Formats: sequence, structure tokens, C-alpha cells
Amino acid sequence: KNEVEQSPQNLTAQEGEFITINCSYSVGISALHWLQQHPGGGIVSLFMLSSGKKKHGRLIATINIQEKHSSLHITASHPRDSAVYICAVSGNEKLTFGTGTRLTIIP
Amino acid sequence: KAGVTQTPRYLIKTRGQQVTLSCSPISGHRSVSWYQQTPGQGLQFLFEYFSETQRNKGNFPGRFSGRQFSNSRSEMNVSTLELGDSALYLCASSLNFGTSGTYEQYFGPGTRLTVT
Repeated sequence: KNEVEQSPQNLTAQEGEFITINCSYSVGISALHWLQQHPGGGIVSLFMLSSGKKKHGRLIATINIQEKHSSLHITASHPRDSAVYICAVSGNEKLTFGTGTRLTIIP
Repeated sequence: KAGVTQTPRYLIKTRGQQVTLSCSPISGHRSVSWYQQTPGQGLQFLFEYFSETQRNKGNFPGRFSGRQFSNSRSEMNVSTLELGDSALYLCASSLNFGTSGTYEQYFGPGTRLTVT
């Protein structure tokens, strides 16, 4: 069993839909990161959080430390949100990554 | 402020050769981490450098090594290349050091290495 599990692996939605991507982890962590990777490979850090909730524009990230679970929400999704979203946790002196969720938003 | 830069962006090498990849962090950032991304294994942590010292290392063979210079620029080296080393190699810089990931990381565009 991987230390970091993401679901779903693939998600296709219509423009404007509310999107939720989930991340569960099995190790103790000091922080959780949500990353966005576009075709071509570039990775952008969206959020780093260790408790509660953070919001940036249409993106919201939440974490429940007791349940070892985090969610990334996208409101009013847009085709430019199409990318791979990766959850990563920092613990045991390294970053451990989930396998990613490929999101496709159809106009 | 300029972002993280990596050179070269693309590289083709033959089995048995060695390769050196370079990463220049954001100005003022002192920590550089390296990651390998493959379709089969996803993203994996290679190592992290801070103040010219390797602070953390992932589970990779000794063929993978790195170093950091006094200006925080970092290089990683892979010797005796194998087909399985074909991957996207990403570096990320952060302002400080803290068990690899407790500070926000800024990623470079990556170097795509193909081993034939």
C-alpha cells in the first residue's frame, strides 16, 4: 500500500463543475502539498498546509490531520484547469508523492 | 525575480555514459531538492542540499550523486546510465531547509533525460 493515495486517478468534467480531488496518507507528516503539473512537465506549488483550510482564487485545500486526509476543490472549473494534480506529504525527512489525478475540463 | 532554471532541458545519452544536470535556484533560496519522475514510479525524492551539504537522501543507488556550490546552484550526476534512468529530473528550491518539504518549494521546468 502506497503511503500517499489519491482518488480519482482520472477525472473528466464539464466546464463550470465543482471538482474534488482526495488525498489520504498513512504516515505522520509535518505538511501536505498540492501541486499542479501541466503537459510538458512544469510543476507549480498550489498549497502547503498543515492544518485547516486555505483558499486561493477558485482553489480550496483542506486537511484533516486526525483522519489523515486532504481534499483539493476547484470551483467553477475551466478548461485551463486541465492538468495533473499531485498530493505530496513531508515526513520522515523527505517528500512522498501520490500518483496524481489527471483532470480534464471539457468546454 | 527569476524562477528556478535547469539546464539542459533535453538530453539523450547512451547506456554506460554519465550525465550532469544543473539547477539554479531562485535568488536568495538556499535549499535545492532533486526529484525523478517516471511513468511507472511517479515522482520520487532523490536528495536535498542546503549550505553545500546533503541533508537528506532518497532510496536511490550510489550512481546518483549531487553537490551544491556556495552560490546555491546545484548539480546532480548519474554515472553508468541505465535504460531505467530515462526520466524527467526536476529540481526545486526553497528559502530554507526543513526536513525536505516543510518550506514551500518552487520547481524548475525539468530536464528530460533519454537513455538509449
